[in-house]
Amino acid sequence: AQSVTQPDIHITVSEGASLELRCNYSYGATPYLFWYVQSPGQGLQLLLKYFSGDTLVQGIKGFEAEFKRSQSSFNLRKPSVHWSDAAEYFCAVARYSSASKIIFGSGTRLSIRP
Amino acid sequence: DAGVTQSPTHLIKTRGQQVTLRCSPKSGHDTVSWYQQALGQGPQFIFQYYEEEERQRGNFPDRFSGHQFPNYSSELNVNALLLGDSALYLCASNVQGIRDTEAFFGQGTRLTVV
Repeated sequence: AQSVTQPDIHITVSEGASLELRCNYSYGATPYLFWYVQSPGQGLQLLLKYFSGDTLVQGIKGFEAEFKRSQSSFNLRKPSVHWSDAAEYFCAVARYSSASKIIFGSGTRLSIRP
Repeated sequence: DAGVTQSPTHLIKTRGQQVTLRCSPKSGHDTVSWYQQALGQGPQFIFQYYEEEERQRGNFPDRFSGHQFPNYSSELNVNALLLGDSALYLCASNVQGIRDTEAFFGQGTRLTVV
């Protein structure tokens, strides 16, 4: 069965500290992989995506993610977080591009400590 | 560019009633997908419309139905509302047939069933 697991429900990080959000997926073939961010009262914004090529993907707002096939993981990182990064983050997979059905994880809520 | 617009933003309905949610896709987009996001969970795919036909469907009962109009806008209808239908309903649009096309999400309609 296709699924996405985000093991951390809630993470608190100090402003300026580094961040890593974990994501593991289960999929029959190599899927498209995504990270989305959702701020309160907002829709979903795509941070980055991966399908092939360099396993380290750069996204918007200074985020990056690394695809590790052997671990079925696609962890999101940021070297220095800002208070404005506080939001809900969703890892997701799809068979094709995001034009197809997207399967989302349950999300990780990120809080920033001043 | 107005992006993906959804209406209404909030809605309160009584159990057993019917509801219609509306979505206007981003300019130039021809495909609309609907997602249900229950509180504290990731979005779940309901269905996708292209060329006025349902192309893909997630694991939702027949109470959930949709429609796409010639101008690509879409409606989501839910009949015989249950308390468990309370959620944020997200609409996403994209362009079919373009590799690596990105889905853009609206801000959603918050449905509360009482």
